[in-house]
Amino acid sequence: AQTVTQSQPEMSVQEAETVTLSCTYDTSESDYYLFWYKQPPSRQMILVIRQEAYKQQNATENRFSVNFQKAAKSFSLKISDSQLGDAAMYFCAYPYSNQFYFGTGTSLTVIP
Amino acid sequence: EAQVTQNPRYLITVTGKKLTVTCSQNMNHEYMSWYRQDPGLGLRQIYYSMNVEVTDKGDVPEGYKVSRKEKRNFPLILESPSPNQTSLYFCATSPLPSGTDTQYFGPGTRLTVL
Repeated sequence: AQTVTQSQPEMSVQEAETVTLSCTYDTSESDYYLFWYKQPPSRQMILVIRQEAYKQQNATENRFSVNFQKAAKSFSLKISDSQLGDAAMYFCAYPYSNQFYFGTGTSLTVIP
Repeated sequence: EAQVTQNPRYLITVTGKKLTVTCSQNMNHEYMSWYRQDPGLGLRQIYYSMNVEVTDKGDVPEGYKVSRKEKRNFPLILESPSPNQTSLYFCATSPLPSGTDTQYFGPGTRLTVL
């Protein structure tokens, strides 16, 4: 089975500050997508951001951006100007051979 | 509105009593999948389907069955549920048959097996 590693089970950030969540993965493919999903207390899975591996430019969605290091197989999520609504579980994920693999998640707490 | 629906949202049952969790999508997506989420383990794929009548096992298929008789529906069947199948279940769809693009999730089904 493919592996996706999120080494930070829990993190906290002060409101309005910046936080980075880390993710590493293992694939032998050269072209693929990478994803970050957010799961708030409602349990709904919400797409935060998507990165295409063949693109050199890091993806950005408003306050969310990624630092994609293809050679290192690293895909971290940066949240700028953190807000109380950002408190959630965050999952890194990627597809491989028709399946989808998720990390174990990072629980983010936002401190007012 | 584009959506993935699951029913029921909550279910408490007893060991051995067959149950079905339905999943339906109105996005005309080719790929559908079931996941279970357990604390500390993230989401793990149970089964997936790349097209009608085509299904395949994910990483944790034991104790589950699926069928894909029509494009929009992908029910998850537990023939004889056991307590270790107590979990949060998600159905998801993706536009590409390969499943390599964004997964769109249903709201989840919380299952408790006593």
